[in-house]
Parts: sequence; structure tokens; C-alpha cells
Amino acid sequence: AQKITQTQPGMFVQEKEAVTLDCTYDTSDPSYGLFWYKQPSSGEMIFLIYQGSYDQQNATEGRYSLNFQKARKSANLVISASQLGDSAMYFCAMSWTGSARQLTFGSGTQLTVLP
Amino acid sequence: EAQVTQNPRYLITVTGKKLTVTCSQNMNHEYMSWYRQDPGLGLRQIYYSMNVEVTDKGDVPEGYKVSRKEKRNFPLILESPSPNQTSLYFCASSLLGTGVPYEQYFGPGTRLTVT
Repeated sequence: AQKITQTQPGMFVQEKEAVTLDCTYDTSDPSYGLFWYKQPSSGEMIFLIYQGSYDQQNATEGRYSLNFQKARKSANLVISASQLGDSAMYFCAMSWTGSARQLTFGSGTQLTVLP
Repeated sequence: EAQVTQNPRYLITVTGKKLTVTCSQNMNHEYMSWYRQDPGLGLRQIYYSMNVEVTDKGDVPEGYKVSRKEKRNFPLILESPSPNQTSLYFCASSLLGTGVPYEQYFGPGTRLTVT
């Protein structure tokens, strides 16, 4: 069965520093996608970044990058130059071709950016 | 503006009183889905739909019904709500194609309390 694991319930980072949020996954399907979503205290789910299982390069979107290590089945999110507005819950999620586009979510990491 | 809308955003109801949470998207997406979010559990899929009149169960379908009579709408129905259905509910939609998954767009969420 597919599974997403986020082992960091909470993280703190100083403003302007970089932070890595961990995500490991488990699937036997060769074709899958990995997503990161941000959920601020207001509750909405904001898509950040996507990595396909066949993508050769790590995905990047502005200050967000995804450190994709396929052999280790990890898809860590790196946020560079943290800002106070980055304080939020972050979810790693996976979807795979056999899943009818179901997203399986990890339990999330609460990131707090300190001034 | 491309978006997924949900109504109501907040709802307090009593056990056994039927309710419907509406979901609508304006992106002509084939795929729509409902999730519930509970503390420490991330998001779990309730039901999904691949197209009009095509629906299927997700991981936690008990106590819920859905319908997909139009492509843009995907209401969630609780025939007899119980307190364990108190949760934050998200509707999501995406394109549906072959190969790797597409990003899912989320609605703003509906916070439901059943007393």
C-alpha cells in the first residue's frame, strides 16, 4: 500500500535561513507524482510544488525546491530564505497512476519562522 | 478566476439532521474529490469522481454520499450526521489524463461541527 511519512511534527527556523522538511514515501507503482501543499492558519490548501517520478531534475518553484532522491524514496521540501509568512502546516502528498488520482497525504509538519 | 468553491464555509448542526455541502469548479476538470482533515491524520479521501455519473469510494466513505450530475458540481451529502463527522472538509478538482498525475486544486474548506 502507498504511504507518505513526515517525521517532523514541528520545525523552527530563523527568518532568512533555509529549512528542509522531510518526506518519505512508499509505493511499488513506477509512475507517481509527489506534491507539497501549504496550509496557513486560515485553512486553505495551497499547492507549492510537484515532482513526477520520471522527472530527471529536481523541481523548483521560486524559493521552493524539491530534493527528490528516488532510490531512497524521499522527496524533501527545501524553502530558501524563510519569511515570516512561511509559517504554516506543510503536507507532502503522493498520487499514482493506479490510484484514480487519489492523493495520499502525510500527517504534516508545522513550520514556525522566527523573527 | 479559476477556482473551487465550497458552501457553506462553516456549519454547526445536530446529530441526525441531513446536510449537503456544495462544491463547484470552473476549470472544466473531469476529476473531483472530497477529503476530510482531522488533527494528526492529514487529509483522507472520502469519495471521488472521474466524470459525470462516475463516482467511487475513497478511504473513509462511511456515512457520506456524493453525486455528480454535472461536470462542475460535486456535492457531499451527510444523510444522518454524527459527532465523529466533525471535521474540516475539502473539495478538490483536477484534470484527468494519462501518465503522471495532475495537481489538485482545493476549495477553501468547510468546517463542520456536529453536536
